[in-house]
Amino acid sequence: GIQVEQSPPDLILQEGANSTLRCNFSDSVNNLQWFHQNPWGQLINLFYIPSGTKQNGRLSATTVATERYSLLYISSSQTTDSGVYFCAVGNDMRFGAGTRLTVKP
Amino acid sequence: EAGVAQSPRYKIIEKRQSVAFWCNPISGHATLYWYQQILGQGPKLLIQFQNNGVVDDSQLPKDRFSAERLKGVDSTLKIQPAKLEDSAVYLCASSSIWRAVEQYFGPGTRLTVT
Repeated sequence: GIQVEQSPPDLILQEGANSTLRCNFSDSVNNLQWFHQNPWGQLINLFYIPSGTKQNGRLSATTVATERYSLLYISSSQTTDSGVYFCAVGNDMRFGAGTRLTVKP
Repeated sequence: EAGVAQSPRYKIIEKRQSVAFWCNPISGHATLYWYQQILGQGPKLLIQFQNNGVVDDSQLPKDRFSAERLKGVDSTLKIQPAKLEDSAVYLCASSSIWRAVEQYFGPGTRLTVT
């Protein structure tokens, strides 16, 4: 199956800082999604982005399908952005191990 | 609009016992998913239903896990018999056929097998 690697595994920021999270995948895909799992375990869909760029408020994502990676950008981070960010690829939704983000006030 | 409901929220059983989880998707959502999330890992898709038919169950350990969605609405996931390595959070998600990629997740059931 498709291998999904996310980096960095952990990230600690001060409130207001920007960050970039990366998702590499081992094969071409027609489905790539980013999720946020909050500290209470609730998973929220952020983006469906098999290619191109999308923005939603302070979050944006870019997928370069030909080079098999996707980036999630968080600008002006807030404490409520803390949690684990996952990318998932493929029709069978292969998740990476996630990036744990901690935003300190 | 009510979200995805799951019960119970927590369950502790001994190995070799049986357990069942219940999921009620968002009203009108035809597609329902069950995921297993082991501590420190991303979720793993176990089974996907569209209405009451199975779309994908390639990662479901069929020797001990079973799932059904008899009337195309609620679903149950069963483990029989449980093993220690089944300790995990079991997540249910649903999506509509018009926006299939937008999955809404329930709060999960945390299973501990001792």
